[in-house]
Amino acid sequence: DQQVKQNSPSLSVQEGRISILNCDYTNSMFDYFLWYKKYPAEGPTFLISISSIKDKNEDGRFTVFLNKSAKHLSLHIVPSQPGDSAVYFCAASDNQAGTALIFGKGTTLSVSS
Amino acid sequence: ETGVTQSPTHLIKTRGQQVTLRCSSQSGHNTVSWYQQALGQGPQFIFQYYREEENGRGNFPPRFSGLQFPNYSSELNVNALELDDSALYLCASSQDQISYEQYFGPGTRLTVT
Repeated sequence: DQQVKQNSPSLSVQEGRISILNCDYTNSMFDYFLWYKKYPAEGPTFLISISSIKDKNEDGRFTVFLNKSAKHLSLHIVPSQPGDSAVYFCAASDNQAGTALIFGKGTTLSVSS
Repeated sequence: ETGVTQSPTHLIKTRGQQVTLRCSSQSGHNTVSWYQQALGQGPQFIFQYYREEENGRGNFPPRFSGLQFPNYSSELNVNALELDDSALYLCASSQDQISYEQYFGPGTRLTVT
């Protein structure tokens, strides 16, 4: 059973517009959430994170929102740029196996100019 | 600052053989985690090492084993390779065993024929 779900395999957005990537989770014990970006032939790159005690974290063009009651988080990218085109992974941890991260399957974002 | 490095980049092995993958952690990091990423899936946690001790393990059989050395570099060993072991193997390092933010290497692509 998948504990972290990214239900949209792909998303297409025009340059300058907002990209919203969504993630749902089932484990209420998760206490930390992260977003990673992955380009082909590279490892995932850490983007932004949020603790379960917060509902929003912002870093430049990237903002992550957490809705604990809905077990839902989202990543907003504003404005989107062609260089943002990549696979985005949502990850979570419950600190049960060290700081093991549980990943979703990813969403491929394409930003067109 | 040196990032996470992995070797080799690619590897082809035959079913039943054994393989060793290597990882050097980012400078200043003492915790290493290994993940398996199958095609079209998110990374799946294998195990984590902190100061040469296993600090958590995912749902992988005992033929997946690891080591961490005093300089915090690490090895992943897989015995009795199966066709389903074909995947991208990712190593990630973090500053300590309570840090959720992990920094990934480029991965080793293993093909089992």
